[in-house]
Amino acid sequence: DAGVTQSPTHLIKTRGQQVTLRCSPKSGHDTVSWYQQALGQGPQFIFQYYEEEERQRGNFPDRFSGHQFPNYSSELNVNALLLGDSALYLCASSWRQGARETQYFGPGTRLLVL
Amino acid sequence: EDKVVQSPLSLVVHEGDTVTLNCSYEVTNFRSLLWYKQEKKAPTFLFMLTSSGIEKKSGRLSSILDKKELFSILNITATQTGDSAVYLCAVVGGTSYGKLTFGQGTILTVHP
Repeated sequence: DAGVTQSPTHLIKTRGQQVTLRCSPKSGHDTVSWYQQALGQGPQFIFQYYEEEERQRGNFPDRFSGHQFPNYSSELNVNALLLGDSALYLCASSWRQGARETQYFGPGTRLLVL
Repeated sequence: EDKVVQSPLSLVVHEGDTVTLNCSYEVTNFRSLLWYKQEKKAPTFLFMLTSSGIEKKSGRLSSILDKKELFSILNITATQTGDSAVYLCAVVGGTSYGKLTFGQGTILTVHP
């Protein structure tokens, strides 16, 4: 039973560039949530995708956008990168939006913006 | 806005010690509270608590929720060096279908 997978594992970009991160949910899960974790902090909710739509959004600017595909996998896009976007980006999957369902996390993508 | 506060922020113990990690929260229409262990990257799931007063146990780890006083504790008995990690507490509330609000985490270091 494959867990949550993310790609790439590491990424280095320069300010102003754009980046796309990918996530495949755990088998049987249909909901994907994205989190940003700065060094020394807990993860911060970016947004959640369910039924190929963005269902909820945290306090992140429009530079952060996403997509969910029919096979439930998801992408996170960040435009016009800022130094402050350097962080660990985590994807979590669950069944039916996960209010009382366990969310399982992928290994994350470490993004460094220079 | 949902809020989670964990204490202590860091803790250093020796193998064999027992530790208690605290998590207090403010949330509208509480749904669930979750504990995760984060060693390098992926937070790994430990417990989900939805009912007050019911202890969840897994080996040397246990957790309990007090919905009246709005807190949870995570206990680790007979600590081992492999327990060294960041322990994260998160809550789900209101109509935030599955949005996890995390605390800052507790850094646990277990020395041999």
